[in-house]
Amino acid sequence: NAGVMQNPRHLVRRRGQEARLRCSPMKGHSHVYWYRQLPEEGLKFMVYLQKENIIDESGMPKERFSAEFPKEGPSILRIQQVVRGDSAAYFCASSPRVAGDVRLNEQFFGPGTRLTVL
Amino acid sequence: TQLLEQSPQFLSIQEGENLTVYCNSSSVFSSLQWYRQEPGEGPVLLVTVVTGGEVKKLKRLTFQFGDARKDSSLHITAAQPGDTGLYLCAPGGDNFNKFYFGSGTKLNVKP
Repeated sequence: NAGVMQNPRHLVRRRGQEARLRCSPMKGHSHVYWYRQLPEEGLKFMVYLQKENIIDESGMPKERFSAEFPKEGPSILRIQQVVRGDSAAYFCASSPRVAGDVRLNEQFFGPGTRLTVL
Repeated sequence: TQLLEQSPQFLSIQEGENLTVYCNSSSVFSSLQWYRQEPGEGPVLLVTVVTGGEVKKLKRLTFQFGDARKDSSLHITAAQPGDTGLYLCAPGGDNFNKFYFGSGTKLNVKP
């Protein structure tokens, strides 16, 4: 998927544990988006980050979920005290997103992390 | 807020048939993107349409952006099993920080 890396591909957690999902954007991309997808449903926006900044987290649940995109290293989506309802596929996308050129707002997706909460 | 409506939700056809799926909105977009997602994978960008009335062709896929830039269609000619997947549309452009995807059209092409 165009160079966006996500790991792990599959993650199993028991209720109450923490889940950490990692996303390395494409080279040269400084914008990262996280989405959640339930089976047979579309993609739901969660959060949009640039390096060291959360730009829009309006799609994130207010509790237990957090995201970061540090100056160095991958973006991390962290889910604390997971519950069964958190089971889903989580996708990360990156974009070069330069203002003024709509084509550069195209997103490139990773293969996703499938989280299963037992 | 769901800005985009896609139809039909599900489509099951035989190999060789033609089909059209739609992406509609009451909002005007500076551009619109189409993605295809295969089972177990992330979405893959197919095309970006920018100009009202624009038509883009990608092999057997024809994408059209409405004149008013509120809607778009994807027409597939002589569908093949490899076309099976979830087709998603999303507004592009600099006006949106949130990428609201349509709910998608799930296409199944039977051999």
